[in-house]
Amino acid sequence: NAGVTQTPKFRILKIGQSMTLQCTQDMNHNYMYWYRQDPGMGLKLIYYSVGAGITDKGEVPNGYNVSRSTTEDFPLRLELAAPSQTSVYFCASTGSQDQPQHFGDGTRLSIL
Amino acid sequence: AQSVTQPDIHITVSEGASLELRCNYSYGATPYLFWYVQSPGQGLQLLLKYFSGDTLVQGIKGFEAEFKRSQSSFNLRKPSVHWSDAAEYFCAVGAGNTDKLIFGTGTRLQVFP
Repeated sequence: NAGVTQTPKFRILKIGQSMTLQCTQDMNHNYMYWYRQDPGMGLKLIYYSVGAGITDKGEVPNGYNVSRSTTEDFPLRLELAAPSQTSVYFCASTGSQDQPQHFGDGTRLSIL
Repeated sequence: AQSVTQPDIHITVSEGASLELRCNYSYGATPYLFWYVQSPGQGLQLLLKYFSGDTLVQGIKGFEAEFKRSQSSFNLRKPSVHWSDAAEYFCAVGAGNTDKLIFGTGTRLQVFP
């Protein structure tokens, strides 16, 4: 059972570079989320989507963009990487409000 | 605004001892409440959830949590901790109708043999 798959697991970027963090789920979930996790800060919601073609900002969206062209995929884009975006990024999905979110294993991103 | 507070950043217990991790929330309506566990280098795994009904909920790995509306709390308990329980634990509250979760800052559990 694949669940939520994130790629890559690790990445080092230079300041100003761009990249896309991939997230795909095989559970046919409508709701998908991107979080970042910084030490001692818990998880902060970056963007979320309630279905294909629909996205919305979370708590910390600045510097990021998302798209949701299919139910399965929810990529997160960093256009101009900044050191403040060094973090661990988690993608999650759920089918409905009465079900828990399923998390991927995370992408550890360092920007130097 | 909704919020979750986990007042204990780090807890150390001996193997076999009992455990209680605290979680307090602020939410205007009846919340959906969750406890997740995160092992090093891993994603978050659901331990248990509360939506309605019985205020004492059982989860995986021998964990339980009790919802106390009067105290706005959802504390996690385990009667006898195992070394494999060492991890970081996150309490979360469901907000609104879009399934957004608000997470606490986590409690790191260390278990000594």
